[in-house]
Amino acid sequence: SAVISQKPSRDICQRGTSLTIQCQVDSQVTMMFWYRQQPGQSLTLIATANQGSEATYESGFVIDKFPISRPNLTFSTLTVSNMSPEDSSIYLCSARDSPGELFFGEGSRLTVL
Amino acid sequence: AQKVTQAQTEISVVEKEDVTLDCVYETRDTTYYLFWYKQPPSGELVFLIRRNSFDEQNEISGRYSWNFQKSTSSFNFTITASQVVDSAVYFCALSEVVTSYDKVIFGPGTSLSVIP
Repeated sequence: SAVISQKPSRDICQRGTSLTIQCQVDSQVTMMFWYRQQPGQSLTLIATANQGSEATYESGFVIDKFPISRPNLTFSTLTVSNMSPEDSSIYLCSARDSPGELFFGEGSRLTVL
Repeated sequence: AQKVTQAQTEISVVEKEDVTLDCVYETRDTTYYLFWYKQPPSGELVFLIRRNSFDEQNEISGRYSWNFQKSTSSFNFTITASQVVDSAVYFCALSEVVTSYDKVIFGPGTSLSVIP
């Protein structure tokens, strides 16, 4: 099974700033995804991070707000731009190799003041 | 489009009772995967099971069992002799291999409280 490390694990940010979350997988994986979990809610898929090309965003999420990079098969970043209190959530990186188990990082808990 | 419904928002049971968590899904694909995840109060997501659409055999793992019925598009999860440690939010999830390029979509979750 893949082990996923995310950092930061938590952060408190000021309104209007941006934060980049890093995700490192301990093995090469085919697919990487970013999810958001707002307080008391389920997981919502933000985007599929594509290696070497632009991410594929879900409805309601745009690249200007959530730019994503994936330079190789083990690493991805998600930036939350121009943050507002509504962006306070847990952001989770996930990965899978072939249609199998979806592995999750421990999440990055973001609080925007 | 793929969709997962977990009609039970919250369930409370007394320890040692059996409890079933319902999951109903919608998909146009013939090839898909269903999942259950557990999220205890500590927050991490714990993988419980994955089932592909061609395998309708029920599965048992200790006190956990799963009932997959394609005829009713359901993938229900039963905990036998519940324990306080089972208290968590449980998510059912679905991925369509073809239509949605294998993205995993989660249901709204069921919060289970096991009372001692």
